[in-house]
Amino acid sequence: EDKVVQSPLSLVVHEGDTVTLNCSYEVTNFRSLLWYKQEKKAPTFLFMLTSSGIEKKSGRLSSILDKKELFSILNITATQTGDSAIYLCAVTGANSKLTFGKGITLSVRP
Amino acid sequence: EAQVTQNPRYLITVTGKKLTVTCSQNMNHEYMSWYRQDPGLGLRQIYYSMNVEVTDKGDVPEGYKVSRKEKRNFPLILESPSPNQTSLYFCASSVNLPPSEAFFGQGTRLTVV
Repeated sequence: EDKVVQSPLSLVVHEGDTVTLNCSYEVTNFRSLLWYKQEKKAPTFLFMLTSSGIEKKSGRLSSILDKKELFSILNITATQTGDSAIYLCAVTGANSKLTFGKGITLSVRP
Repeated sequence: EAQVTQNPRYLITVTGKKLTVTCSQNMNHEYMSWYRQDPGLGLRQIYYSMNVEVTDKGDVPEGYKVSRKEKRNFPLILESPSPNQTSLYFCASSVNLPPSEAFFGQGTRLTVV
């Protein structure tokens, strides 16, 4: 059974801090790893990673995948209150089935 | 505007009364899927479809049915809803495989009493 574990489950930081969110996985026939941000309702896509060692970057957010050690990290630098959300990690395995982790709740205090 | 539309957004129903949650996308995406989200359990995939007439079970398919007769629509059917199906449901679609940049609907909050 495919499995995705995210850590920590929640954290509280102050504006300006840098945070690192972790995602480890076990999946049959790995195809991709996805990161999403969920604020009030529907998740919104952040990154898709398929190759090890290649950093994806968008503004203050960046992510990298390690296929040998089976994990990914999502970094957020200079955090802002608008970064407060649940961050979801998902992996795609055999037959394009998606498995999500439980999510990391990030709270950024002013 | 590219979007995934779910209806209804909120629904309260009684145990055993059949219901359908509709999902429609206007992006000509081949991949569509349904998820439920519960506190402490995260998002769990119910069913997914890689194309018309092609559907597969996700992690929690029991008690649900789906159909994909047209590319744009992917309804979720609860033949005999039970209280443990009270949840927040999301439909999503994706332009390619493996699924990426998934577009999510706004969610359906279902309560079964």
